[in-house]
Amino acid sequence: EAGVTQFPSHSVIEKGQTVTLRCDPISGHDNLYWYRRVMGKEIKFLLHFVKESKQDESGMPNNRFLAERTGGTYSTLKVQPAELEDSGVYFCASSTRITTNEKLFFGSGTQLSVL
Amino acid sequence: TQLLEQSPQFLSIQEGENLTVYCNSSSVFSSLQWYRQEPGEGPVLLVTVVTGGEVKKLKRLTFQFGDARKDSSLHITAAQPGDTGLYLCAGSLSGGYQKVTFGTGTKLQVIP
Repeated sequence: EAGVTQFPSHSVIEKGQTVTLRCDPISGHDNLYWYRRVMGKEIKFLLHFVKESKQDESGMPNNRFLAERTGGTYSTLKVQPAELEDSGVYFCASSTRITTNEKLFFGSGTQLSVL
Repeated sequence: TQLLEQSPQFLSIQEGENLTVYCNSSSVFSSLQWYRQEPGEGPVLLVTVVTGGEVKKLKRLTFQFGDARKDSSLHITAAQPGDTGLYLCAGSLSGGYQKVTFGTGTKLQVIP
């Protein structure tokens, strides 16, 4: 069974440019999450999809960030325009059910560097 | 935002030694998870504890959830070089979904 796949693994862009990160969850996982770790800080929640619907986007930093999940399958996270403080590792995770004990499967992350 | 403090931040020990990593918060969590992360990879779940005072064992790793569900510990017996990595605790609030709050992390190095 394929795991959570994220693309690209690394992205280096200049301030003001646009970047789109993609996440393919494990097949059949309705729940998809985006998390982020900025340098020196802990991993923080960004948002949660249940199928194609945004369940919770309370962690999104500002309106430069736009997440979508077309047809309830893969998800994209667009940053436009990117700022220096957006640099960090963006993780995607998926799970089957919304329960406290449900196992989260994480992707390997996208390392974003904004110069 | 709840904060989970882990200690120590860094730990370098010799193969065969024992160690304990602590995860503390002022908030009550409905469950707490421990993850291990290796460079270039995402966190991988090791265990979930849900009941105050619960103890779970995974080979040489022993996990305990505090009675008040505000803290947890991870004890490794006879550490091996393969245990090297970043250990993260993460707490879930009541409400039943996986919007977890991650701890600050403990970077463990086990020297052969």
